[in-house]
Amino acid sequence: EDQVTQSPEALRLQEGESSSLNCSYTVSGLRGLFWYRQDPGKGPEFLFTLYSAGEEKEKERLKATLTKKESFLHITAPKPEDSATYLCAACRAAGNKLTFGGGTRVLVKP
Amino acid sequence: GAGVSQTPSNKVTEKGKYVELRCDPISGHTALYWYRQSLGQGPEFLIYFQGTGAADDSGLPNDRFFAVRPEGSVSTLKIQRTERGDSAVYLCASSLTATRGLGGDEQYFGPGTRLTVT
Repeated sequence: EDQVTQSPEALRLQEGESSSLNCSYTVSGLRGLFWYRQDPGKGPEFLFTLYSAGEEKEKERLKATLTKKESFLHITAPKPEDSATYLCAACRAAGNKLTFGGGTRVLVKP
Repeated sequence: GAGVSQTPSNKVTEKGKYVELRCDPISGHTALYWYRQSLGQGPEFLIYFQGTGAADDSGLPNDRFFAVRPEGSVSTLKIQRTERGDSAVYLCASSLTATRGLGGDEQYFGPGTRLTVT
């Protein structure tokens, strides 16, 4: 059975304090690893897709990386507006459903 | 352009009643997905449509849940004989394609419908 685990569950950062979020996955034949941002009361907002181990993608203060077993979301010099829940999801090669982790709630204090 | 829209945004119903939740995908997106999200958890897959047909309904919890997409665009999730355990946020997503390598397989989510069964 596909499994995605995110850690930590919650992260409190000072503005400017860089950190990393972890997403461990067990998926038979990974097709893609997706990162989303979710604000309270809203649907997940697409950030990145990673397809191959070693791949990296960046967007503003966020950088996502992928290995054969994990993905990391690095937040560099975060700002209060980066506060949100970050979700990762894996999609296996056969099929299109996303298996989500439980998310990491990030709070960036000014 | 317009994103995925869902109606209603909130629905309160009594145990045992029937409810319908509607999803309007992004124009031109051929794939449509339904997920369910409980408080503090990640979304859980329910069903996926490619065009008008349900390509994967393995996430539907039981036969009280049913979804349709008759014209390959708008979709309706139908729940019969609702139970308190059905209370959650129901999310709809769409993607341009469902095939890796062509691009466009990232799923874009709507704001969700919060269902409360009393």
